Amino acid sequence: SQQGEEDPQALSIQEGENATMNCSYKTSINNLQWYRQNSGRGLVHLILIRSNEREKHSGRLRVTLDTSKKSSSLLITASRAADTASYFCATVSTSGTYKYIFGTGTRLKVLA
Amino acid sequence: GAVVSQHPSWVICKSGTSVKIECRSLDFQATTMFWYRQFPKQSLMLMATSNEGSKATYEQGVEKDKFLINHASLTLSTLTVTSAHPEDSSFYICSALTSGGSRDTQYFGPGTRLTVL
Repeated sequence: SQQGEEDPQALSIQEGENATMNCSYKTSINNLQWYRQNSGRGLVHLILIRSNEREKHSGRLRVTLDTSKKSSSLLITASRAADTASYFCATVSTSGTYKYIFGTGTRLKVLA
Repeated sequence: GAVVSQHPSWVICKSGTSVKIECRSLDFQATTMFWYRQFPKQSLMLMATSNEGSKATYEQGVEKDKFLINHASLTLSTLTVTSAHPEDSSFYICSALTSGGSRDTQYFGPGTRLTVL
């Protein structure tokens, strides 16, 4: 399977704490993207980081990318109950097909 | 911008019947659309790549005769689950790539929940 892996699979934190999720992948990539999915709903695009970038910020989100280790992390600072969702990374390979390979996902629960 | 819709949002059908799911790009043209399925508490698995005006490309292990894909226009792709069985019950999500500009980002539909009795 080419599917990436994320850890932890599940994470439960208190409101106000930071949440860190990690994603590992297997092939050379053009970019890596993070998505959020609320239960039973579609995906919301959070952030894209290209293979030549190491870090990117968007509001309370911080994403890092280490292509030598084929890994990425998503940090959500000052978490809120509304951040409760599943988070997926998706990689786009260098093959030119624009196909996404999704990670296994992290289920985040933020307790009020 | 870049809104993708799916219809229906949920469907319940009897075993042996066929179900058609539509995926539309509402405000952009999409030469390429993708179909995914997602089982409960699992990740999205790519089923096929749908290209406007040509045959879909299926991922390994996906039966093309069971999951019929038609991408007849630049704004519409359909997935038909033929002779559905309970094991086909899943959440089906489509996505679309814009035809021009950056093709980095796929825009996802809200998903269709299929329950086969």
